[in-house]
Amino acid sequence: DAGITQSPRHKVTETGTPVTLRCHQTENHRYMYWYRQDPGHGLRLIHYSYGVKDTDKGEVSDGYSVSRSKTEDFLLTLESATSSQTSVYFCAISPGQGANSGANVLTFGAGSRLTVL
Amino acid sequence: GEDVEQSLFLSVREGDSSVINCTYTDSSSTYLYWYKQEPGAGLQLLTYIFSNMDMKQDQRLTVLLNKKDKHLSLRIADTQTGDSAIYFCAESRLQGGKLIFGQGTELSVKP
Repeated sequence: DAGITQSPRHKVTETGTPVTLRCHQTENHRYMYWYRQDPGHGLRLIHYSYGVKDTDKGEVSDGYSVSRSKTEDFLLTLESATSSQTSVYFCAISPGQGANSGANVLTFGAGSRLTVL
Repeated sequence: GEDVEQSLFLSVREGDSSVINCTYTDSSSTYLYWYKQEPGAGLQLLTYIFSNMDMKQDQRLTVLLNKKDKHLSLRIADTQTGDSAIYFCAESRLQGGKLIFGQGTELSVKP
């Protein structure tokens, strides 16, 4: 998707190994988000960032950490991957509520499919 | 339970209208959104509606909002096979504008 890139797009790893997913944007948007998508659950927010070094937890943050050292990059780390973290992970960006008459319009990346064996 | 709920599946015939429904629980929701996800892709915004509106129309799409019942619907007129996808509703609240998504409705359009 234009302006937002996720890497890797696919990864298979073993239980107990660390994994880092990267989200890179070229839109200079303030907000960045990590969601996971699982059948029957839709998208659930893991963590989000509202600026460089400013992050907060979402509804399913246990087992995940994030970092944002510069505007364009938002990293999601699984310190010790478990099979329950097998999922498709989506990064999203937004300029915030002020940019679209108050609506918070998110632009999503193409997703990163993670399989933990 | 989930804050935003949708039925999981909907099947229609090509040319018919599709109506995808969504209910939400938080009365402080300011905006409600519809996103579309095609197979193997990320989500794309279709439309959104401010909570003080009850209807919004955009070409083949009509959004209806019943704020009293906390019910949102998306109507797709003259549904085409290219409309086959998963449709997500979402709400944003006052703090930080985070979006909360429903489970998604998989729309199947049969020729």
